[in-house]
This record gives sequence, structure tokens and C-alpha cells, in this order.
Amino acid sequence: EIVLTQSPGTLSLSPGERATLSCRASQSVISSDLGWYQQKPGQAPRLLIYGASSRATGIRATGIPDRFSGSGSGTDFTLTISRLEPEDFAVYYCQQYGTSPLTFGGGTKVEIK
Amino acid sequence: EVQLVQSGAEVKKPGESLRISCQGSGYSISDYWISWVRQMPGKGLEWMGTIDPSDSFTKYSPSFQGHVTLSNDKSISTAYLQWSSLKASDTAIYYCARHKDINTWSAALDYWGQGTLVTVSS
Repeated sequence: EIVLTQSPGTLSLSPGERATLSCRASQSVISSDLGWYQQKPGQAPRLLIYGASSRATGIRATGIPDRFSGSGSGTDFTLTISRLEPEDFAVYYCQQYGTSPLTFGGGTKVEIK
Repeated sequence: EVQLVQSGAEVKKPGESLRISCQGSGYSISDYWISWVRQMPGKGLEWMGTIDPSDSFTKYSPSFQGHVTLSNDKSISTAYLQWSSLKASDTAIYYCARHKDINTWSAALDYWGQGTLVTVSS
């Protein structure tokens, strides 16, 4: 099983600042089959990034804002939020889906400083 | 519009059985695998398993194999998650989610149900 370790556990930032979230895999993720999800309290997760760097379409084809970007390959992946908006404060999870069992990281909470 | 609508909250006693559902609409249900994800209170996401609605082929996480059963009825575009004997530790929110690429489980989860809260308490 591929273990995903996210860091930091909590990121305290102000609106307008840049957020950098890390996801490290215990072994190489096949074909960069890695996604990032955002979850707000009381809501289901939402897909932001797939294939390590492709922004998702989003519900009703609204698209994920381009301030969200993903990068990385192999065992090291990063989600970057270029300028935090108030609605971006949430918990973020990475997930690998190239190898069964699919696995999620433990999450990074982005909170308002 | 693609939607996954899950059944309502359940309160059960330890040892009881339960089946919760996830009905898809707005797309061809047979073309996309459906996964189930557990979220225990205040905790992260755990992948439980996935089912191919076209033929009911399943893959399970070792952590959940033998404790839950995935099934589906494609005639009503509905997937199910079932327990034969619940434990208090099964208390959680359960989400169904669709894999975004056709005919593969190796894809991100692009549409999610609203979640079903299952509470198991004596």
C-alpha cells in the first residue's frame, strides 16, 4: 500500500498569501496518478487537481480557479494556491489512484492567521 | 448535470445490518466506476473500495475487505454499501464518488455524493 504523508498538518496564513502544500509518497506514484481535493466543514470533498497538475472542471463546468496549481512526480507532489481567497480556507487531501488500494494523505488544514 | 444522491442518515445498534445507497443521474451509470470513502468523526478520508456498475466487479481496500459489501443495480443507477453486522467503530460519514474516466478505477474522483452519516450506538 502506498502511504501518502502530507505536510504541514496545519498552515496558518492570511488572505492574499501563497500556500504551498506537500504530499510525499512511500513509493513512486504510477503515471503521476495523483489528485488533490478540498473539503470544507459539512461538505463533501471537491476535486481540484488530477494527474498531478491538471485542474479539474468542477461542478456545472465552472472550473477550478487558476490560482490552484499542482506539480510533482514520482514521490513528491505539491499543491500551490497562489493568492489565498477567503473561500480557500479548508482542508486539503492528496490521493493516489494509480495503485490499488487507492490511498489518501492525512490532510493539511489551511487556516486563517 | 451529473449528480450522486445518497440515502439519509441512519442510527443503528451494534450487530445490526445496514445498506446505504447512492443513485447516479446525468450520465451513463455503466461507464464509470463508483468508489466509497469513509470519514470518521473529525478524521481524514479513507478509500473503502470500488465497483464497476457495468458488471458489478469490485475491488476492496484490505482494511475493509470482509467487513463491507459493495453492490449495485444498474437498472436504477444505484450503488450500495452494506454491512451485515455493524460495530460502534463504523460510526462515520460515508461518501460515494465517481471515477472521472470511463471504464477504469484508476482515475480521480470527480463527483461526490452528499454523504450519509451512519451512527452505531447501543
